[in-house]
Amino acid sequence: KQEVTQIPAALSVPEGENLVLNCSFTDSAIYNLQWFRQDPGKGLTSLLLIQSSQREQTSGRLNASLDKSSGRSTLYIAASQPGDSATYLCAVLNQAGTALIFGKGTTLSVSS
Amino acid sequence: GAVVSQHPSRVICKSGTSVKIECRSLDFQATTMFWYRQFPKQSLMLMATSNEGSKATYEQGVEKDKFLINHASLTLSTLTVTSAHPEDSSFYICSARERGDEQFFGPGTRLTVL
Repeated sequence: KQEVTQIPAALSVPEGENLVLNCSFTDSAIYNLQWFRQDPGKGLTSLLLIQSSQREQTSGRLNASLDKSSGRSTLYIAASQPGDSATYLCAVLNQAGTALIFGKGTTLSVSS
Repeated sequence: GAVVSQHPSRVICKSGTSVKIECRSLDFQATTMFWYRQFPKQSLMLMATSNEGSKATYEQGVEKDKFLINHASLTLSTLTVTSAHPEDSSFYICSARERGDEQFFGPGTRLTVL
């Protein structure tokens, strides 16, 4: 059974810092991996989607990497801003499945 | 593009009543819709997968008679929580997929059962 783990559970940083969020998954047979942002009480906003054949994706200050063989992905946020404060969720789509399996998320707080 | 809406965004009901939550894909046809539940500080847990015109597939441990799912059209799926109890209070989120593998999520519905 696929399990997704995110470390750390919470992170507080001052504005301007570069930071890395980690995601690991137990079954490497994935179709893709997706990073989402969730603001308190809100739905999910898709940030980056990495196909299993890809190594990384970039969007603005965000860069996500995927090492499928080791079951790991990282989300790199450059020059963090207070507006980046949110919970970041990692989810994988199994090759055999149709639905996403989520980690518990990392709650990020960026102070000004 | 790829916008998914949910209605209502927030609902408070008395124990024993039924609540219906709608999920709509506004600018695309969703061949598959998913319903998730999220408890505080927990991850999203898949409840069921529904394909237009067919019965929903429920995840283990989810009571299909309690959580009724209808996917009557390519743009609308509904989740009805029947005889709701306080332990059903949660954040319910739907997502929709057209033909590719990317899912688009709705804004969620906060259900509080008194």
